[in-house]
Amino acid sequence: AQRVTQPEKLLSVFKGAPVELKCNYSYSGSPELFWYVQYSRQRLQLLLRHISRESIKGFTADLNKGETSFHLKKPFAQEEDSAMYYCALMESLMDTGRRALTFGSGTRLQVQP
Amino acid sequence: EPEVTQTPSHQVTQMGQEVILRCVPISNHLYFYWYRQILGQKVEFLVSFYNNEISEKSEIFDDQFSVERPDGSNFTLKIRSTKLEDSAMYFCASSEGGAASNEQFFGPGTRLTVL
Repeated sequence: AQRVTQPEKLLSVFKGAPVELKCNYSYSGSPELFWYVQYSRQRLQLLLRHISRESIKGFTADLNKGETSFHLKKPFAQEEDSAMYYCALMESLMDTGRRALTFGSGTRLQVQP
Repeated sequence: EPEVTQTPSHQVTQMGQEVILRCVPISNHLYFYWYRQILGQKVEFLVSFYNNEISEKSEIFDDQFSVERPDGSNFTLKIRSTKLEDSAMYFCASSEGGAASNEQFFGPGTRLTVL
């Protein structure tokens, strides 16, 4: 079965420092990977997805199929980046047709002034 | 910008009682989902719904759970006889559908407390 692992529960950095939130997955097909963010007292919202290859709010994530990873990176963290970040996987629609998201356990990012 | 809405924001119930959690998905979306998050644990998929029927469900979604789209706007999750372990945050989500439009938009959640 598919699985998403986020090894860090908490990542604390200072403003201006680089950030890397780790995400590894296990899935035998070609998944679609997402990063969702939940700011304090707000809903889960999509930050970025691997197929769009965008940079959102300075964050990027590259799918590495060899390492089965989808780490989230930002070169210079800002205080407003403090939030809970969830990595999520969707199985290939072409393979299974399933649309359920499998989430990792989340990483809380704290950016200190 | 359209959003998924959920009511109530917090529901307290006694063990064994039935609860109905309500969601209004984004109006042009075709797929609807329920997820739950027990305190301190992962967000877990419960069920997805398309074209007025369940399209997939997880092992968590047993006979105690049911979903319904009673009209053109609401999407409900019913728990027939609540257990203590049903206490969790329940999130509704919706998506447009289609391989290029499968972003899921989440509601703010309903916190269910079973006493």
